[in-house]
Parts: sequence; C-alpha cells; structure tokens
Amino acid sequence: GQSLEQPSEVTAVEGAIVQINCTYQTSGFYGLSWYQQHDGGAPTFLSYNGLDGLEETGRFSSFLSRSDSYGYLLLQELQMKDSASYFCAVDLTDSWGKFQFGAGTQVVVTP
Amino acid sequence: GAGVSQSPSNKVTEKGKDVELRCDPISGHTALYWYRQSLGQGLEFLIYFQGNSAPDKSGLPSDRFSAERTGGSVSTLTIQRTQQEDSAVYLCASSLGQGVYEQYFGPGTRLTVT
Repeated sequence: GQSLEQPSEVTAVEGAIVQINCTYQTSGFYGLSWYQQHDGGAPTFLSYNGLDGLEETGRFSSFLSRSDSYGYLLLQELQMKDSASYFCAVDLTDSWGKFQFGAGTQVVVTP
Repeated sequence: GAGVSQSPSNKVTEKGKDVELRCDPISGHTALYWYRQSLGQGLEFLIYFQGNSAPDKSGLPSDRFSAERTGGSVSTLTIQRTQQEDSAVYLCASSLGQGVYEQYFGPGTRLTVT
C-alpha cells in the first residue's frame, strides 16, 4: 500500500529549530508538498520539492531524498504563531490529481 | 481576490438524510479537489476535477457519495443516506490546473450526522 508517516507531535520553545520528518512508501509521485493548518483553519501551502534537495522559503525549508524515501520540513526561529499542524503530501503518478496526505504533525511552541 | 468558498460552513443532519455541500473555487482555477478530514486526522482524498471531468472517482468512500462540477466552476458533493461515520470536515481546494501542485483550500464544511 501507499503511506506517509509523520510524528504525531513535536514540542519546542520559541526561537528553536524543529525538523518534521515524512517517510513514505509509494509507488510513484511527482513531488512532496507541505501544508500548515491552524486549529479550525484551512490548510495553507508552504513548500514543494519536485526534485531531490533543499528548498528554502524564509524561515521554512523543505528537503526531499527519493533514494532514502523521506523528506522533512525545517522550521527555524520558531514563533508562537507556528503552533499548528503540518502535513506532508504527495501527488501520485498513478492517477492525475490524486494527492495523498500524511496524518499530520502537531507542533507546539512554548514560551 | 476572493479565495475558495464553501457552503454551508456547518451542517447538522439526521442519519439517513441527503446533504449537498458546495464549493466555489478561485476564478480561473481549472482543477478542483474534495477532501475529508476527521477530527485530528489527515486529509483523505475524495475526488479531483479537471474542468468538469473527474478522471478518477475511486477515492469516494462509497456509492452514497457523488460529486459534480458544472461550467468548470462550482462543484457540489452529495452524500445520500448519511451515516454517523460521514461526520467530518469536508474541504475543497482549487489550483490553476492539472499538474500544478499548490492547492488553495476553502474553510470547509463541518458535517455532523446525528
């Protein structure tokens, strides 16, 4: 089957760095996306890795290694507003438009 | 500009009733997605439209679920004979087109089946 595994929760203090890993088992995908979702809110797009390597967008970076079947989202200089759930997702090659999401990682930022 | 809108925002219905959920995508976005999110869970893919066509309906949980899109814009997700396990938040998203990975999500419809 196809699956994406993420840690369920990560806690860190303001100003720290957090890495959220996403390991996957899938037959094929075009790229790995990351979304942020605050409680009661809609998911918002953060980043996309179509190729192996690191993508940097401000305080957030994302990485993909297809040979190791994993990726990660790196949150730097954590702020209280970063407390949210973070989801990894892949767009599958076996069906156009079909995305599979992980179960999400709850990031709790403490003062 | 306007984002993705969904209606109603909340829907409480009795078991066995039919419900219709509506999604208005961002203007010009040809791709539209429906997802289901149960409490504390990830997003479960339901269906994808490119224009008015849905090439893959295998994500729909049962034949009680159906979706359509007309005029390449508004989409409705219909659940017939609702069951308690259908209770969830139903999210709609749109993107510029096929192969465009960035999706813009609506606020969702919270469905409660009593």
